[in-house]
Amino acid sequence: QQQVKQSPQSLIVQKGGISIINCAYENTAFDYFPWYQQFPGKGPALLIAIRPDVSEKKEGRFTISFNKSAKQFSLHIMDSQPGDSATYFCAAVRRGNEKLTFGTGTRLTIIP
Amino acid sequence: KAGVTQTPRYLIKTRGQQVTLSCSPISGHRSVSWYQQTPGQGLQFLFEYFSETQRNKGNFPGRFSGRQFSNSRSEMNVSTLELGDSALYLCASSLDPTGSYEQYFGPGTRLTVT
Repeated sequence: QQQVKQSPQSLIVQKGGISIINCAYENTAFDYFPWYQQFPGKGPALLIAIRPDVSEKKEGRFTISFNKSAKQFSLHIMDSQPGDSATYFCAAVRRGNEKLTFGTGTRLTIIP
Repeated sequence: KAGVTQTPRYLIKTRGQQVTLSCSPISGHRSVSWYQQTPGQGLQFLFEYFSETQRNKGNFPGRFSGRQFSNSRSEMNVSTLELGDSALYLCASSLDPTGSYEQYFGPGTRLTVT
């Protein structure tokens, strides 16, 4: 049972545009939602994370929007740059359990 | 602070052999988790250790095992390797298992089974 669904599978965005990746979860016990960025040959790097008691969190060009009632959250990358080209994973975890449940990943390509 | 380190970075083994992978967490981190990453199955949780005890386990066969030492370093072992075990094995560490949830990943060990 896939508990975190991620879309799209791949995304091409023009430089300077907004990249949007969406995730939906099923388990209401999840209470922490991180996003990871992975470059080829590297491990995933923690990008930004949110708890369900807030609806939005912004760090630089990266923003997470969270909709608790819809059980959905999304990553927005503003002013997308070629250096943002990577695979992005959403994840979810619940209190007392270190197991990260990952989405299937989105391969983002920023074109000049 | 140094990040999570994993050794070796690359490994080629033959079907039926066994393998041991090592992970050194960020200094001060006491929780270590292991994940398997494959193109087909994505990132899947293997197990998590805290204070030398396995606290959580994913849905993998018993051929996959691990342990944690008193200095928080961890090893995972895969016995009787199968072709399907070819994957990137990632280790992640976290500081406070009851609070922050922030997990930091190492670069992984690329295992190829022939």
